[in-house]
Amino acid sequence: QSALTQPPSVSGSPGQSVTISCTGTSSDVGSYNRVSWYQQPPGTAPKLMIYEVSNRPSGVPDRFSGSKSGNTASLTISGLQAEDEADYYCTSYTSSSTVVFGGGTKLTVL
Amino acid sequence: QVQLVQSGADVKKPGSSVKVSCKASGGTFSTYAISWVRQAPGQGLEWMGGIIPIFGTPNYAQKFQGRVTITADESTSTAYMELTSLRSEDTAVYYCARVKEPLRLLDAFDIWGQGTVVTVSS
Repeated sequence: QSALTQPPSVSGSPGQSVTISCTGTSSDVGSYNRVSWYQQPPGTAPKLMIYEVSNRPSGVPDRFSGSKSGNTASLTISGLQAEDEADYYCTSYTSSSTVVFGGGTKLTVL
Repeated sequence: QVQLVQSGADVKKPGSSVKVSCKASGGTFSTYAISWVRQAPGQGLEWMGGIIPIFGTPNYAQKFQGRVTITADESTSTAYMELTSLRSEDTAVYYCARVKEPLRLLDAFDIWGQGTVVTVSS
C-alpha cells in the first residue's frame, strides 16, 4: 500500500487561508469516508484535527475544515495563526482493511 | 479522561527484538482498538497494525507481516507491540494510539501515547 500523496510544504501569512491536499486512489480515499487529519508540532505526538472527512473533534477550532472530492481529500486552515505551524498528516482506511498515512506536509506561518 | 502511557526508551542490537507496552487508564479498554504507528527520525508516520482487545485478533500492515506481533492483555489494560529481527532502519519513535469509536479496528486515532524511542545500533 503506497502512502497518500501530500505536498511536502505549504506556507501562509497570519490571517490567510491554506489548503493541504491528500491524494490517494479508488482503493482508499476515493472509496471511503474514513479520512482523518492530524497535527504534529515538533517533538510531540500527533493530535486528531478532522475525522470522517469533515468532522471536528471537540476542542478543535472551526478554522480547521476538511473535504473530499474523488480520490483527493483536503484540509483547509482559515485565519492562520502562528500556533498552527506544525506538520500535518492525512490518513485513510483502505480496501485491504489497513490504514495508510500521507507523507506529511510542513506548514510554515510566515 | 483516557490516557495511554508507554514504556521507556530502549536500545537494541541489530537482529534482536523489542517489546513496547502501552497501558490505558481512565476508561474502557477492551472494546477500543489500539494501533501502533512509528516515525523514523525526520520521517512521516507509518501504521504498523492494530488490535481490538476483546476480540484479540490483530491486523498488520503488509510491510511488517511476519516481524511484528501485537497483543493486548485485558486484565491489565495493556497493549504490546513486539518487533523482531531489528535493523538500523527500525530506529524510530513508536506510538500507540486508540481509535475514536468502539468495536472499529480502523478508525480515527483520538488518543495517543507519549511515544517510545527505540534505537537499533551495534
